[in-house]
Amino acid sequence: GAGVSQSPSNKVTEKGKDVELRCDPISGHTALYWYRQRLGQGLEFLIYFQGNSAPDKSGLPSDRFSAERTGESVSTLTIQRTQQEDSAVYLCASSLGGSGTGELFFGEGSRLTVL
Amino acid sequence: LAKTTQPISMDSYEGQEVNITCSHNNIATNDYITWYQQFPSQGPRFIIQGYKTKVTNEVASLFIPADRKSSTLSLPRVSLSDTAVYYCLVGDDTGGFKTIFGAGTRLFVKA
Repeated sequence: GAGVSQSPSNKVTEKGKDVELRCDPISGHTALYWYRQRLGQGLEFLIYFQGNSAPDKSGLPSDRFSAERTGESVSTLTIQRTQQEDSAVYLCASSLGGSGTGELFFGEGSRLTVL
Repeated sequence: LAKTTQPISMDSYEGQEVNITCSHNNIATNDYITWYQQFPSQGPRFIIQGYKTKVTNEVASLFIPADRKSSTLSLPRVSLSDTAVYYCLVGDDTGGFKTIFGAGTRLFVKA
């Protein structure tokens, strides 16, 4: 596709359930990021994938959060045993390379609501 | 990674020039300065990027003084549609944009 695609766009789940969020980056982009954005707040870095290198997981808030990426394509963010504080918009972004000089292209986000 | 500080919010009127300043006192030699714009219910969108002096594109200008400890995003003749959150971030050339975006600056443009 032309841009970064995320699904689902909205997800409502019950506390304690697991959820999986998907990100399709722009074709050819080697770098992929996940961010979390709570209502009215800035973006919080979660995890960063760059090519075939080991991902930087330093932003994941707990061991309930995990993410995978197959090669340089689709990534999934999994949240296990969801809690109400996990409610947020989860944004995925990709860029051509991992350099901080590159432009990040964001998806529309997946809005997660934990009841 | 360099930390950035921006005003929380700003108000302006249509047709005015808006300048949003970002402080990044511990910017590193290899760091670039990038600004993003975010509308409600959308992901952020790249506006402009620079290393030093002045950069201009079709939507904005970015002014960076010689010491690079701050930068100013200038939006000429804003319209109501420029109401958004503006993020300043500083990225090095090793770890990409791992830094948090921070709360950004909420710009309100009034008629």
